[in-house]
Amino acid sequence: DTGVSQNPRHKITKRGQNVTFRCDPISEHNRLYWYRQTLGQGPEFLTYFQNEAQLEKSRLLSDRFSAERPKGSFSTLEIQRTEQGDSAMYLCASSLRFIGAGSRDTEAFFGQGTRLTVV
Amino acid sequence: GENVEQHPSTLSVQEGDSAVIKCTYSDSASNYFPWYKQELGKRPQLIIDIRSNVGEKKDQRIAVTLNKTAKHFSLHITETQPEDSAVYFCAASTSGTYKYIFGTGTRLKVLA
Repeated sequence: DTGVSQNPRHKITKRGQNVTFRCDPISEHNRLYWYRQTLGQGPEFLTYFQNEAQLEKSRLLSDRFSAERPKGSFSTLEIQRTEQGDSAMYLCASSLRFIGAGSRDTEAFFGQGTRLTVV
Repeated sequence: GENVEQHPSTLSVQEGDSAVIKCTYSDSASNYFPWYKQELGKRPQLIIDIRSNVGEKKDQRIAVTLNKTAKHFSLHITETQPEDSAVYFCAASTSGTYKYIFGTGTRLKVLA
């Protein structure tokens, strides 16, 4: 499967524990995004990377959240001291930005998400 | 702040009828508008998109229209089929960021 891959698919954790999710984007894609989706809502932007640089973070991303993309390939999203309000689907997406004349992005391709339940 | 409003939240149509979903965006700098379809338990998948330099785009039974002046864009599905049943999300983004601001979704039910 050459699409965006996320692991784990499901995570149940106790309040106060730390969790880490992984996203493997489509291999040639240089942009990577994290979104959070709660039931009945559209995905909410959390952060995005171009290569290894984290270029923007939403104010939704509190100090308990950190994301990395150390080598410009896979990315991790860590949530420290989880709270029940963190329960959601965490979606990763990737796209390819063509640099240079007529620079543009391809569409964003989404992974299947990691469903987090904090009990 | 940036916002995308989407209506209706639910839509039921008879098989073969048309469905229209409307979105309004707030950021006048937005210039790319994708539509995603999300089936239950699955990832959002792009079905059609439009850039701000065109007013309409069509792909078989699906079309999208954009009114930049009014900051409206709409998804039109003709000859609906049961497999069109899903949640549809509109989104808006701006060159330079490419983060998507999503609408709240429309649950479409096509009744056989």
